[in-house]
Amino acid sequence: NAGVTQTPKFRVLKTGQSMTLLCAQDMNHEYMYWYRQDPGMGLRLIHYSVGEGTTAKGEVPDGYNVSRLKKQNFLLGLESAAPSQTSVYFCASRAGVSTGELFFGEGSRLTVL
Amino acid sequence: GQSLEQPSEVTAVEGAIVQINCTYQTSGFYGLSWYQQHDGGAPTFLSYNALDGLEETGRFSSFLSRSDSYGYLLLQELQMKDSASYFCALGGAGTALIFGKGTTLSVSS
Repeated sequence: NAGVTQTPKFRVLKTGQSMTLLCAQDMNHEYMYWYRQDPGMGLRLIHYSVGEGTTAKGEVPDGYNVSRLKKQNFLLGLESAAPSQTSVYFCASRAGVSTGELFFGEGSRLTVL
Repeated sequence: GQSLEQPSEVTAVEGAIVQINCTYQTSGFYGLSWYQQHDGGAPTFLSYNALDGLEETGRFSSFLSRSDSYGYLLLQELQMKDSASYFCALGGAGTALIFGKGTTLSVSS
């Protein structure tokens, strides 16, 4: 059982380039989340989804877009990368609102030069 | 909006008991969760309080008081492997889960 899988694990971009991070979960969870983690800032919510075809903004959505075309996949896109988007990105899924348990992927480390 | 406050650092010795507090502000929520994260790793779930009171899971316990907007994580019989960052997280309206900035626990021998 793979759980939550993120690809790629590492990526280096130049300012202005675009890229997509893929999150896949095999637990049939309704809810999926994208967080970024920076030193001393904890985990900040970028966007989230409460089901296939739905997305919503989190705490820090600017500069990112997301899509949930299939229930098992949640994509995070950077249209024009900036050095301020250098971070570790975590995807997570949750079965429902009655549980506080998030299942996290291993993280994707992104560096924007 | 929602916000959570927790101490940035806590130190303790092996075998001791440590409490990590979390205070929050919200207009309504589903519950308070706790996560552990070791350096370079992903956060892992520890505990969840949907109702007021104490939840016990082995050496870890978590407490919630909605009237005080306060919760804590209690770690007993500390071990070196418990050195990590600990996050409280609030499950708010609309199902978004918001995290505190984390508490770094250092356990020494």
